[in-house]
Amino acid sequence: NAGVTQTPKFRVLKTGQSMTLLCAQDMNHEYMYWYRQDPGMGLRLIHYSVGEGTTAKGEVPDGYNVSRLKKQNFLLGLESAAPSQTSVYFCASRRNRENQPQHFGDGTRLSIL
Amino acid sequence: GENVEQHPSTLSVQEGDSAVIKCTYSDSASNYFPWYKQELGKGPQLIIDIRSNVGEKKDQRIAVTLNKTAKHFSLHITETQPEDSAVYFCAASMEGTSYGKLTFGQGTILTVHP
Repeated sequence: NAGVTQTPKFRVLKTGQSMTLLCAQDMNHEYMYWYRQDPGMGLRLIHYSVGEGTTAKGEVPDGYNVSRLKKQNFLLGLESAAPSQTSVYFCASRRNRENQPQHFGDGTRLSIL
Repeated sequence: GENVEQHPSTLSVQEGDSAVIKCTYSDSASNYFPWYKQELGKGPQLIIDIRSNVGEKKDQRIAVTLNKTAKHFSLHITETQPEDSAVYFCAASMEGTSYGKLTFGQGTILTVHP
C-alpha cells in the first residue's frame, strides 16, 4: 500500500498562475483533508471532505477550491496564486470511525514568486 | 473555535535525557488528543494518542498525560535517542461531532545531541 500520495512534490509558480495539487489514498478512507504548514504556525486546515462529492471549508479556505469526484482523490486548486500562498501543503485521510488517526502524505512544497 | 498552544517551540537535550512537551487547549468539548512526529521532508506520523476518559497512556519510551480540569496534556519521551530528533505536534479534536478535524499546536523542534 502506498498510503497517501501527493503530487507534485515541488512547484514554483508566478503570481496569478493557477494550479491543482493532487492527493490520492488507497486505504478506502472516507474523510480527507488539506492543510498548509507555515513556520511557527503548525498545520492549519484549508478544506476537508467527509465523502465522495462532498467538501467543506476549514480554518483558512480563502483563495483555494477543492473537489472530491472520486473517493480516493482529493484535489486542491489555486485559481490565482498569491505570494501569501507560499507554503508546504499536506493532505491527510482517515476512516469515519471515532478516534482514528489521520494519515498524511509527504507534502507539496509550493513557492509563489 | 478550538485553540491549542504548544510549548516549548524548541527543545535541546542530551542523549539519554528525558524530554517533555506541553500543550493547552481551550474547548472543554475536545475529547481526543493525538501527538504527531514529523521528520525532515516527510508528513506528520501519529506516535501516540489519548482519549478524554483516560489520564495517562504509555508506549515503550513515550507517554502522554491528560489533565481535563486544567485542559492541558503533555508528551514525555524517556531515554531519548538521536533518532527522536524531529518536529513534534500536539492536536485536539472533538470526536463524534467534528468529522475528525484536528486543531494543531505550533510544533516543537526536538534536538537530541549524541
